[in-house]
Amino acid sequence: AQTVTQSQPEMSVQEAETVTLSCTYDTSENNYYLFWYKQPPSRQMILVIRQEAYKQQNATENRFSVNFQKAAKSFSLKISDSQLGDTAMYFCAFMKQRDNQGGKLIFGQGTELSVKP
Amino acid sequence: EAQVTQNPRYLITVTGKKLTVTCSQNMNHEYMSWYRQDPGLGLRQIYYSMNVEVTDKGDVPEGYKVSRKEKRNFPLILESPSPNQTSLYFCASNFRQAYGYTFGSGTRLTVV
Repeated sequence: AQTVTQSQPEMSVQEAETVTLSCTYDTSENNYYLFWYKQPPSRQMILVIRQEAYKQQNATENRFSVNFQKAAKSFSLKISDSQLGDTAMYFCAFMKQRDNQGGKLIFGQGTELSVKP
Repeated sequence: EAQVTQNPRYLITVTGKKLTVTCSQNMNHEYMSWYRQDPGLGLRQIYYSMNVEVTDKGDVPEGYKVSRKEKRNFPLILESPSPNQTSLYFCASNFRQAYGYTFGSGTRLTVV
């Protein structure tokens, strides 16, 4: 069974600085997808960034980038130039490719990020 | 606007009183799922559907039912709610696995 672990329950960062959120996962699969979701106080789940395991290049979306280390089963999220609106719970999630369960997302426990002015 | 719509956003009910949380998506997605979110546990899949009339259990299906009579709708039914079903519930839909899921805005359910 796949598991996802986020070892940092809470983090804080000063506005305009850079912060990295950690995520590790355990799987025997070779083909899969990884995601970071953001959940602000409004509780809406918002897709931040995604990575396909067969791609060696790390995904980037504006101020958000990942460090994907397949051999180490690590998928960290870097937020550059942090903004107050980045304050949220962040979830790392794993999905097995060609999953006959309709693409089940397996989530980590979440990291609560506070951006301070 | 492409979205997943859940109702209600908040619900307080009593033990044993049947309830339904509705979910509708306007993106013509085939895949739909229900998740529950609990502190320290992240989100866990309750049920999923790969198409109309095709549904199956996720990781925590006990006490829940679903139906998929139309592609756009995927209601979650609690026939006899209990306090351990107090949670935040999300409906989500997906077109292709690589794109991830689009989530509804969540339903905060309290069972007393």
